[in-house]
Amino acid sequence: GAVVSQHPSWVICKSGTSVKIECRSLDFQATTMFWYRQFPKQSLMLMATSNEGSKATYEQGVEKDKFLINHASLTLSTLTVTSAHPEDSSFYICSARWGQADTQYFGPGTRLTVL
Amino acid sequence: KQEVTQIPAALSVPEGENLVLNCSFTDSAIYNLQWFRQDPGKGLTSLLLIQSSQREQTSGRLNASLDKSSGRSTLYIAASQPGDSATYLCAPYNNDMRFGAGTRLTVKP
Repeated sequence: GAVVSQHPSWVICKSGTSVKIECRSLDFQATTMFWYRQFPKQSLMLMATSNEGSKATYEQGVEKDKFLINHASLTLSTLTVTSAHPEDSSFYICSARWGQADTQYFGPGTRLTVL
Repeated sequence: KQEVTQIPAALSVPEGENLVLNCSFTDSAIYNLQWFRQDPGKGLTSLLLIQSSQREQTSGRLNASLDKSSGRSTLYIAASQPGDSATYLCAPYNNDMRFGAGTRLTVKP
């Protein structure tokens, strides 16, 4: 089946630093990738959708200048949390889809803790 | 924007019980609906995917039904086991996937 990986699986950083999270589709070409955020005991909230080679589309309320998304290749998307603060601490999950496929495949998630 | 509601929010049952988890969604123009399981601190495990043209899907002790026109889906778990303890999420799909808040299930030995 389709496999999506994320790196790192967890990261701890100091407030004010930037953190980059990678999402890779290992065995298929991901024309579209999605980034979700999940706070403790809450559901996954879609942050943004990115199509390869295009600018990401952000959901309402998500700061595009704070959460930089790059989808420069068909197998890699990155999410950079800029000037991270403790309230950005969360579980970030990516998913990927090829073409107009009728489902998405999810990565294992990245736990971000900002001190 | 798709809104997804899951009831109950939490459920605690003794081992062996049959149980039903409910999911409702506001936009019935979906391609399919997927049920996931999430263990604490972990990612998502796909359980069942029902296409919009289907009424139900079964996998082992799990059975999911879909009534697309009324915006409802149910996940039926038969003969529950302690290993079934997890949060169950439903996600209707229409170009992107939106999630409910989940049902946190505890199955006591």
